[in-house]
Amino acid sequence: GENVEQHPSTLSVQEGDSAVIKCTYSDSASNYFPWYKQELGKRPQLIIDIRSNVGEKKDQRIAVTLNKTAKHFSLHITETQPEDSAVYFCAASRSWGKLQFGAGTQVVVTP
Amino acid sequence: NAGVMQNPRHLVRRRGQEARLRCSPMKGHSHVYWYRQLPEEGLKFMVYLQKENIIDESGMPKERFSAEFPKEGPSILRIQQVVRGDSAAYFCASSPPRDQPQHFGDGTRLSIL
Repeated sequence: GENVEQHPSTLSVQEGDSAVIKCTYSDSASNYFPWYKQELGKRPQLIIDIRSNVGEKKDQRIAVTLNKTAKHFSLHITETQPEDSAVYFCAASRSWGKLQFGAGTQVVVTP
Repeated sequence: NAGVMQNPRHLVRRRGQEARLRCSPMKGHSHVYWYRQLPEEGLKFMVYLQKENIIDESGMPKERFSAEFPKEGPSILRIQQVVRGDSAAYFCASSPPRDQPQHFGDGTRLSIL
């Protein structure tokens, strides 16, 4: 089955700096890669996603890149703000089915 | 448009009792997924259902756990004879019929005394 590894487990950045979270996956048949943000005690919220036929996608301060050959995908947050502090999860799936999640990255943005 | 609705938000059970968790998908969504999140851990897939069908239950424990999504009404995740290790947050997600992202509910926090 699919195995998703996520690094780092914690990330502390100064406000205004960039944050990068990296994930690798094992199943070459995976073709959909979403990222979720979860604040303490809240639901996971979809922030961006990418399909395997696209190498990069951007939405304002958030971007995701995908390297299918290396089975890597990454989340980039630019100009970080305190409200970006949360746990971020990457995930992978085949054809929009069940999601296999990474272990999560706790991001702390300090003013 | 209401989001994915889960209830109860918090559920306390004693060991050996039954827990029933309910999930109403977003309007127009016919696919439901259940995930479990242990404290300070990631989300683990449990089961994927469509109306009256279990599509993938590869993440469900073999005993005590069952799920259904009837023709009418919410999806139900049922845990029989609960044990302390069942304490977790259980999240439901739903998606439309084809090729669309999953959206999550607020979860049910299950505590076992």
